[in-house]
Amino acid sequence: EVQLVQSGAEVKKPGDSLKISCKAFGYSFSKYWIGWVRQKPGKGLEWMGIIYPGDSDTRYSPSFEGQVTISADTSTNTAYVQWSSLKASDTAMYYCAKSWQMGTVNNFDIWGQGTRVTVS
Amino acid sequence: IQLTQSPSSLSASVGDRVTITCRASQDMGTSLAWYQQKPGEPPKLLIYAVSSLQSRVPSRFSGSGSGTDFSLTISSLHPEDFATYYCQQVDPYPPRFTFGPGTKVDIK
Repeated sequence: EVQLVQSGAEVKKPGDSLKISCKAFGYSFSKYWIGWVRQKPGKGLEWMGIIYPGDSDTRYSPSFEGQVTISADTSTNTAYVQWSSLKASDTAMYYCAKSWQMGTVNNFDIWGQGTRVTVS
Repeated sequence: IQLTQSPSSLSASVGDRVTITCRASQDMGTSLAWYQQKPGEPPKLLIYAVSSLQSRVPSRFSGSGSGTDFSLTISSLHPEDFATYYCQQVDPYPPRFTFGPGTKVDIK
């Protein structure tokens, strides 16, 4: 079964660093773009960035450029997003999701269950 | 590209036909998708490439449109369809994803 399994909820303080993960199962991880999406409490979906694990080509939303770092490890089929210095405004649910078509940037067909990050 | 959805919310009854519209600030091509999200769950892909039904999604969901105006139609609302619906557009070069603000469908 194709699935993305994300790491557990985090509670951090402002200024802390954090790295959350998204492990892929059931498909060729290196061949599909995988993205990250933020959802603040009670709000809509915001695209953060996307990575092609095969060559680590990474693109960011202008709103998130410089604020987060997206990476991937093909040896463990895991994608990551990390913060070097969290702010209270980073409190949100974070989802990873894979593009539905191999090798192309496209809509997301499989989503992780989400990782809740609380900064307080 | 900026996306707007209308209405922002609606109340409907089981069995109703519901149409949600997504409008873009410029031509969206064919990369328009629709997602359903229920409270406490991740979004679920319903429609991709404007009108293609994702696997295992009921046929009462359909998508249509072109250029800057697109719509999602639920032909006969089921109890499990009460949720928030988002449209999404993708620019592949350079990669850019844009989500609409969402339309909440609740029970009348």
